[in-house]
Amino acid sequence: DQQVKQNSPSLSVQEGRISILNCDYTNSMFDYFLWYKKYPAEGPTFLISISSIKDKNEDGRFTVFLNKSAKHLSLHIVPSQPGDSAVYFCAARGTSGGSYIPTFGRGTSLIVHP
Amino acid sequence: EPEVTQTPSHQVTQMGQEVILRCVPISNHLYFYWYRQILGQKVEFLVSFYNNEISEKSEIFDDQFSVERPDGSNFTLKIRSTKLEDSAMYFCASSEFGSGGVTDTQYFGPGTRLTVL
Repeated sequence: DQQVKQNSPSLSVQEGRISILNCDYTNSMFDYFLWYKKYPAEGPTFLISISSIKDKNEDGRFTVFLNKSAKHLSLHIVPSQPGDSAVYFCAARGTSGGSYIPTFGRGTSLIVHP
Repeated sequence: EPEVTQTPSHQVTQMGQEVILRCVPISNHLYFYWYRQILGQKVEFLVSFYNNEISEKSEIFDDQFSVERPDGSNFTLKIRSTKLEDSAMYFCASSEFGSGGVTDTQYFGPGTRLTVL
């Protein structure tokens, strides 16, 4: 029951270019979305989030876009840096009633080449 | 910067043995969680804990699992009789507000890799 899907297990990008990581969800109760970054031997680290009342949230080089009608969100990293190489997890949860526990995708491994 | 810590970093055990995984959440956080990630798969929620009791648990968290906050700082996950399929990375997380905060964020520890032989 993959309620949160990250269909690309890996992505390779040249330093300085844009990285676009995609995420799809199926549960219409989800209205808060998060991206986590995970380095090897470390736990996931919160990166950026977006509420369903917005369609874009920007924080420095990181921007998350939300398309509610398509149940799709994406994380843009511009410009990409070698230190961005990590596994990126998309997560989604509801904010009113029911469970507030985020559901995670399987992750996308981003490799940024110098 | 405050962080969640976990011990041990790697635990190897024989099938059928009991293991206890330990976590020290961020000190002012009130909500605690355990997640696991089987190699190559997604991060899966196990249990959340607030005010000395379980507030939510997944179907994975069966009678073999238990959680405890034995003192003011530690948060533990016990697996009574480990199975081969319990081999995974176990992450502890904590958050300040839990379900009461719409934008509440969970902070994860580095994980304990459990290997069941």
